[in-house]
Amino acid sequence: AQSVAQPEDQVNVAEGNPLTVKCTYSVSGNPYLFWYVQYPNRGLQFLLKYITGDNLVKGSYGFEAEFNKSQTSFHLKKPSALVSDSALYFCAVRRPESSYKLIFGSGTRLLVRP
Amino acid sequence: DAGVIQSPRHEVTEMGQEVTLRCKPISGHNSLFWYRQTMMRGLELLIYFNNNVPIDDSGMPEDRFSAKMPNASFSTLKIQPSEPRDSAVYFCASSNTEAFFGQGTRLTVV
Repeated sequence: AQSVAQPEDQVNVAEGNPLTVKCTYSVSGNPYLFWYVQYPNRGLQFLLKYITGDNLVKGSYGFEAEFNKSQTSFHLKKPSALVSDSALYFCAVRRPESSYKLIFGSGTRLLVRP
Repeated sequence: DAGVIQSPRHEVTEMGQEVTLRCKPISGHNSLFWYRQTMMRGLELLIYFNNNVPIDDSGMPEDRFSAKMPNASFSTLKIQPSEPRDSAVYFCASSNTEAFFGQGTRLTVV
């Protein structure tokens, strides 16, 4: 069965510092991996995806993520955090060979303090 | 494209009443998902459709929940009868590769 783990319920970082939000996955085959952000009272917004190719993918709002197949991880990163980045972040995985099912992690709340 | 459109945005109903949530996916997307989000359980996949056909409904909580997708541009999620524990935010999403979410319907059952 495919699953996604986000080990941290909350990440705290000071504005201007780099941030990392962790994600590991368990799925056979070649997964599609995604990051989404959710602001209060809003739906999830797509940030970036890994399908194939370069392990470092760049997305919206200066975010990037690194796919590491040996560690089955897809951590979200940003070199310099902004207070406006404070939100709930979700990692998701899909195994395209057999289904279109998109499975989300439990979410990590990012709090960027001024 | 206006994105995924859900209606209503908010719904307050009494226990025992029927509730119907509506979703218009993005044109051209072949997959549609219904999710439920609560503080306790996070984001749960209820059901997903591919090319209007229900593929996996294993996340539907019980027989009180049903979902339909009569055509490529419309889907409904129905709860009958509703119960207070159904109170949550219900999201619809559509995709080809990455999923795009609607704004959600906040359901309160009193």
